[in-house]
Amino acid sequence: AQSVTQLGSHVSVSEGALVLLRCNYSSSVPPYLFWYVQYPNQGLQLLLKYTTGATLVKGINGFEAEFKKSETSFHLTKPSAHMSDAAEYFCAPRNSGNTPLVFGKGTRLSVIA
Amino acid sequence: DTAVSQTPKYLVTQMGNDKSIKCEQNLGHDTMYWYKQDSKKFLKIMFSYNNKELIINETVPNRFSPKSPDKAHLNLHINSLELGDSAVYFCAAQGLETEAFFGQGTRLTVV
Repeated sequence: AQSVTQLGSHVSVSEGALVLLRCNYSSSVPPYLFWYVQYPNQGLQLLLKYTTGATLVKGINGFEAEFKKSETSFHLTKPSAHMSDAAEYFCAPRNSGNTPLVFGKGTRLSVIA
Repeated sequence: DTAVSQTPKYLVTQMGNDKSIKCEQNLGHDTMYWYKQDSKKFLKIMFSYNNKELIINETVPNRFSPKSPDKAHLNLHINSLELGDSAVYFCAAQGLETEAFFGQGTRLTVV
């Protein structure tokens, strides 16, 4: 079964600074990997996903993530933070087939003006 | 056209009451889920249905009973509500090789 660790429950960056949110999963089987964003009092929105193919994936709002099998990581980055990026971010791997997402504990991103 | 819709969005009720949350998807996916998000934002799977059949039932009190009348619907009925049931409940639909598509959530407050 998959498990996932998101390092840092709260990350704070200045507007315009690099955003780096870390995610490590544990599985010997390459999973499907997802990042979701949750704005206050809203549902979960897909940011990006890796299923097969290119290991560097681009998502919405300028975010991207790289699947590194050797490190079992799928860190989320954005070159320049914007105030509107302030939200809760969840990394969620799953295995193939009819298997559910396994969520990390989430990282709250704050952006300081 | 909303892919996954849940009703109601907010639900405030007294302890001991019975309530239901409805979920509908128009994506044609075979698998639907209920997740619970606690006050610390942690999301945990509760139930999974595939083609109307229950395939995952995590350690959830049997006061919670999911029902799937057809592939497009997965409802959640909760009996004898307790204070600890207060949370946000999310329905999701998922294809074999796809991401999960989430509803907007139902914020349940038990008073």
